[in-house]
Amino acid sequence: EIVLTQSPGTLSLSPGERATLSCRASQSVSSSYLAWYQQKPGQAPRLLIYGASSRATGIPDRFSGSGSGTDFTLTISRLEPEDFAVYYCQQYANSGTFGQGTKLEIK
Amino acid sequence: QVQLQESGPGLVKPSETLSLTCAVSGYSISSGYYWGWIRQPPGKGLEWIGSIHHSGSTYSNPSLKSRVTISVDTSKNQFSLKLSSVTAADTAVYYCARLAVVPETKFDYWGQGTLVTVSS
Repeated sequence: EIVLTQSPGTLSLSPGERATLSCRASQSVSSSYLAWYQQKPGQAPRLLIYGASSRATGIPDRFSGSGSGTDFTLTISRLEPEDFAVYYCQQYANSGTFGQGTKLEIK
Repeated sequence: QVQLQESGPGLVKPSETLSLTCAVSGYSISSGYYWGWIRQPPGKGLEWIGSIHHSGSTYSNPSLKSRVTISVDTSKNQFSLKLSSVTAADTAVYYCARLAVVPETKFDYWGQGTLVTVSS
């Protein structure tokens, strides 16, 4: 089973700042199988990034994904108030796993 | 617009079987894609439970595989989850979602989730 480890666990930043979230896999993952989701309290997760770097429909261009192999990154270039949430990376080959999540909170 | 809606009992007794259904609208399950179940214990992260193709082929989380049954009913455009021998550790919000696998994998549409509590 591929284990995804996200860091940091909590990230405290201010609106307008840049956020960098990390996702490390226990073994190499094809970029095609790596996605990122945003979840706000009481809501279902929302797809942000798929294929490691492609934005989902309707996702603002301040969100970007990068990486390959075992190291992947989600970057939010300038934080807006609505971006403070929990973010999960996920891989799905023939079975799926999620990272434990990074909570992005207002500083 | 693709929409998914979970339904089922909100309370299940320990050792019994949890049963949930996901009704899909705006897209025919028979047309393709995989369809999956994900859960989230209160205050914790997401856990993939399993996925099914409209043809009936299934994949399940190895940690849950012996207790999980996922089925599809194309005539009703819905798919279902059964989780047997539940304990308090199975208390969670259960989500259903559409899973695209080609060319990239992604859960692109999600239900709103339903809370299932395991308690006597």
